[in-house]
Amino acid sequence: QQQVKQSPQSLIVQKGGISIINCAYENTAFDYFPWYQQFPGKGPALLIAIRPDVSEKKEGRFTISFNKSAKQFSLHIMDSQPGDSATYFCAARWGAQKLVFGQGTRLTINP
Amino acid sequence: EPEVTQTPSHQVTQMGQEVILRCVPISNHLYFYWYRQILGQKVEFLVSFYNNEISEKSEIFDDQFSVERPDGSNFTLKIRSTKLEDSAMYFCASSVRVGGLEQYFGPGTRLTVT
Repeated sequence: QQQVKQSPQSLIVQKGGISIINCAYENTAFDYFPWYQQFPGKGPALLIAIRPDVSEKKEGRFTISFNKSAKQFSLHIMDSQPGDSATYFCAARWGAQKLVFGQGTRLTINP
Repeated sequence: EPEVTQTPSHQVTQMGQEVILRCVPISNHLYFYWYRQILGQKVEFLVSFYNNEISEKSEIFDDQFSVERPDGSNFTLKIRSTKLEDSAMYFCASSVRVGGLEQYFGPGTRLTVT
């Protein structure tokens, strides 16, 4: 039950396009859903996050859409740029502390 | 901008040896965490630490692991008698307050057990 399933495993998008990464969960005890961006050799960096009482959150080119009834949430990257090429992890918070991560999506933006 | 730092960046050790991974969390943060990422896999929670004691640990965090905050700034992960399967990136993270939503990660220590 403490799982977060992420898809796709890899994604190639043309520069200027929209990148969409999806995550799903089962346990309704998760109460906070962050997205992390990770470049090779670096630690995960918090990108954007949402709580389940909100259906959408936008920060610049990054938007989280949250569907509580379907237990799904997604990250949309508008006007994708080559500098966005990285691995993206969705996560969900369990209890007060523990983050449960998805498998990751390797995003490549072609110039 | 304050950040979590970790040392060393890369540690190579022989199977059976003990290693200590070090972290300096962001200075006003109160919750500290260790996560592990085996190459090509997802990030996995190991342990959380608050008020000088473990507040939660995963099934991965068995008796070979221990954590300590030896002073006001450092947070360490000790792995006793390392195994080949302990080879991974180990990330330290911290959050500002009890139940703090944002966890900030350090750059990681790559542990290679030979």
